[in-house]
Amino acid sequence: DTAVSQTPKYLVTQMGNDKSIKCEQNLGHDTMYWYKQDSKKFLKIMFSYNNKELIINETVPNRFSPKSPDKAHLNLHINSLELGDSAVYFCASSRGAPGMNTEAFFGQGTRLTVV
Amino acid sequence: GNSVTQMEGPVTLSEEAFLTINCTYTATGYPSLFWYVQYPGEGLQLLLKATKADDKGSNKGFEATYRKETTSFHLEKGSVQVSDSAVYFCALSPQGGSEKLVFGKGTKLTVNP
Repeated sequence: DTAVSQTPKYLVTQMGNDKSIKCEQNLGHDTMYWYKQDSKKFLKIMFSYNNKELIINETVPNRFSPKSPDKAHLNLHINSLELGDSAVYFCASSRGAPGMNTEAFFGQGTRLTVV
Repeated sequence: GNSVTQMEGPVTLSEEAFLTINCTYTATGYPSLFWYVQYPGEGLQLLLKATKADDKGSNKGFEATYRKETTSFHLEKGSVQVSDSAVYFCALSPQGGSEKLVFGKGTKLTVNP
């Protein structure tokens, strides 16, 4: 009955590879997000989708491409992985915008290590 | 632009000590304010929130009051436990709702028995 689930939990891969991280939420939320947490624990938003439409795209390299097949899923595909992509990636969802009385629910995170 | 500044960590306390983690923000109008907690190896969980000035959010013995005059949302707990060891994030959502949260850099708290 996990609310926001992402797979895999750990991902170790070589530079130059292409990889995907999947995220699913069973909360019926309209908005989903991808956040990146660096080694110093700093969290920064990457993307946000509302009802399958991209609404936030922060300054992220083109190698990162989110895909939302339906509003319950938001996958993250990364091409040509680089060492600097190593981080923990968190998926999150919220009923609407995360202000007022809504809150964002986070997945457990995917620890990506590029070697 | 919108930003959140929280005190640098790490913070190490003994059990039953008093905790304060400072958080100040920069935003126009009246953002909503949040504290999230990340336990080791887990994702973030909402700890408490406040959506208007002078509101006090509280949960699990933690409290924070939305102070518009000082643009602050400091987190406090009167008596910490070992199980409170985690990373704490202050965050804001701009007035009128927004599709993103702006996070502070996080403060790691370690509570020793």
